[in-house]
Amino acid sequence: GENVEQHPSTLSVQEGDSAVIKCTYSDSASNYFPWYKQELGKRPQLIIDIRSNVGEKKDQRIAVTLNKTAKHFSLHITETQPEDSAVYFCAARGIMDSNYQLIWGAGTKLIIKP
Amino acid sequence: DGGITQSPKYLFRKEGQNVTLSCEQNLNHDAMYWYRQDPGQGLRLIYYSQIVNDFQKGDIAEGYSVSREKKESFPLTVTSAQKNPTAFYLCASSDRGSPSNYGYTFGSGTRLTVV
Repeated sequence: GENVEQHPSTLSVQEGDSAVIKCTYSDSASNYFPWYKQELGKRPQLIIDIRSNVGEKKDQRIAVTLNKTAKHFSLHITETQPEDSAVYFCAARGIMDSNYQLIWGAGTKLIIKP
Repeated sequence: DGGITQSPKYLFRKEGQNVTLSCEQNLNHDAMYWYRQDPGQGLRLIYYSQIVNDFQKGDIAEGYSVSREKKESFPLTVTSAQKNPTAFYLCASSDRGSPSNYGYTFGSGTRLTVV
């Protein structure tokens, strides 16, 4: 089945700088890769996603890149702001027990220093 | 207003007691999921259901039970066999038949504490 690894577990950046979080996946058949943001005590919310037929997708200050050959994808946040502080989870759509579902990375705690 | 509703927001369980967490969605999603999240940790899958009257164990099903009698509802029971149930429980749903939307929608969670 699918396995997703996420790095780093904690990332601290200065406000205004960029942040990059990386994930690798194991199943070459995976075709959908979302990123979720979870603020303290709240639910995870989808912030951006990418499908396997696309190499890059942008939405204002956030972007996701996908390298299918290397089986990794990354979240890029530019011009970071205090409200970007949260835990970010990557996921890959893979097969578990013959059913498609999202397989999650362990999460990255992003800390924006003022 | 479509969404997924979890209740209660906070729940306190005494030792040896069974408690049930509610999860209801009006998104017409086929699939529903229960996750457990411990402080500072990731999402661990407890149970999932792809269709009414069918469900499968996830990675940490021991001490938990579920039912899926209606498409809209997927309640989770934390039994007395779960020795360390204090955690944040998240319910999610997805439209597994929609190629344009594979993402999950999460409820706002239930924080369970053993007293």
